[in-house]
Amino acid sequence: SAVISQKPSRDICQRGTSLTIQCQVDSQVTMMFWYRQQPGQSLTLIATANQGSEATYESGFVIDKFPISRPNLTFSTLTVSNMSPEDSSIYLCSATGGVFSGANVLTFGAGSRLTVL
Amino acid sequence: GESVGLHLPTLSVQEGDNSIINCAYSNSASDYFIWYKQESGKGPQFIIDIRSNMDKRQGQRVTVLLNKTVKHLSLQIAATQPGDSAVYFCAETLYNFNKFYFGSGTKLNVKP
Repeated sequence: SAVISQKPSRDICQRGTSLTIQCQVDSQVTMMFWYRQQPGQSLTLIATANQGSEATYESGFVIDKFPISRPNLTFSTLTVSNMSPEDSSIYLCSATGGVFSGANVLTFGAGSRLTVL
Repeated sequence: GESVGLHLPTLSVQEGDNSIINCAYSNSASDYFIWYKQESGKGPQFIIDIRSNMDKRQGQRVTVLLNKTVKHLSLQIAATQPGDSAVYFCAETLYNFNKFYFGSGTKLNVKP
């Protein structure tokens, strides 16, 4: 399956600042997604990162807070803007639709753990 | 690494016993399901999947059962090992839709 790399793997941020998380896939994939996992919780879908167009956000998530880019079929970024302590979470990049077996399987990166002080 | 299962329901089993982890999914139209395993400090890893035209699928030491009538999935792990200790999530989607939504998760604790 595809290998997904995220950076940073973790960071400690100050309230009011913004941080961009990068996601690189080792092969071209059709779909890329960003999830949030708050401490002790399950995964919540933030948005679908669409190649060459604006991301599609889930209810409760907005572009101003979580701008997303996807310039090509292997790379995406998620920015967490104007952070508050409530944004402290693990942010996970994921993908489906690659040229590998099980193309509908959702594959994940290791996640980026953000702590906002 | 930090635990991701601090507030999740916990299932404790003895090494060598069989484990059954349950999941209620939300959308009766979902037609594809995946079980994931998440260890501390890692992203979720694929375990086994099942489509809605099946009610059972077996892998190596794992079996997934699907009951569409009551929107219920279960994951059975045979001869549970300490390395199976992790948080387990089910995920659902419409097969061509590609967006996956996750259940609440269960922490499996295997006692040696």
